[in-house]
Amino acid sequence: EAEVAQSPRYKITEKSQAVAFWCDPISGHATLYWYRQILGQGPELLVQFQDESVVDDSQLPKDRFSAERLKGVDSTLKIQPAELGDSAMYLCASSLYRTGGRETQYFGPGTRLLVL
Amino acid sequence: KQEVTQIPAALSVPEGENLVLNCSFTDSAIYNLQWFRQDPGKGLTSLLLIQSSQREQTSGRLNASLDKSSGRSTLYIAASQPGDSATYLCAVSESGGFKTIFGAGTRLFVKA
Repeated sequence: EAEVAQSPRYKITEKSQAVAFWCDPISGHATLYWYRQILGQGPELLVQFQDESVVDDSQLPKDRFSAERLKGVDSTLKIQPAELGDSAMYLCASSLYRTGGRETQYFGPGTRLLVL
Repeated sequence: KQEVTQIPAALSVPEGENLVLNCSFTDSAIYNLQWFRQDPGKGLTSLLLIQSSQREQTSGRLNASLDKSSGRSTLYIAASQPGDSATYLCAVSESGGFKTIFGAGTRLFVKA
């Protein structure tokens, strides 16, 4: 069964350093999502792509976070500089159609980030 | 602003018990509601998706209901098993946009 791939699975960094996360969605999926999940809370949408275009990044802290999906396939989320409050699980998800969050989303295993 | 609340935050039951998890949302203008399962340190797995025009969905021992007008959904788990131990999250998709809003989840522990 096809899965969403993410790497790395774990990342420890010091504050003010740069970090990057990679996501490869299920082949053929048009929509890709990046979520941040703080321990004990539900995921919060950071950015959503349809193909290579951003359709929602209203919750993305744009002074330090950036995301791209250049060819409409895999995606990278970057944080520069990292802050202590960025420690969280970063989840990537994908869905087949260009209908936003209106269909089943398939999640990757996540990247656990710890900022020291 | 849409808010999703799940009660209880945690639940411990003996194996074999039937149980109900609750989800409420503040804005009834939703497109659909989904229930997910999350194992510790892992990603989310979709369990059931209910369209706003539907009242319920069933998959195996799971049954989810939706009352859009009252802003409520329930997830019923029949004959619970230790393997059901996980966090269960509900999420609503807004009618007017692209965003999915999650609740904080109910952490379920089924004792053998």
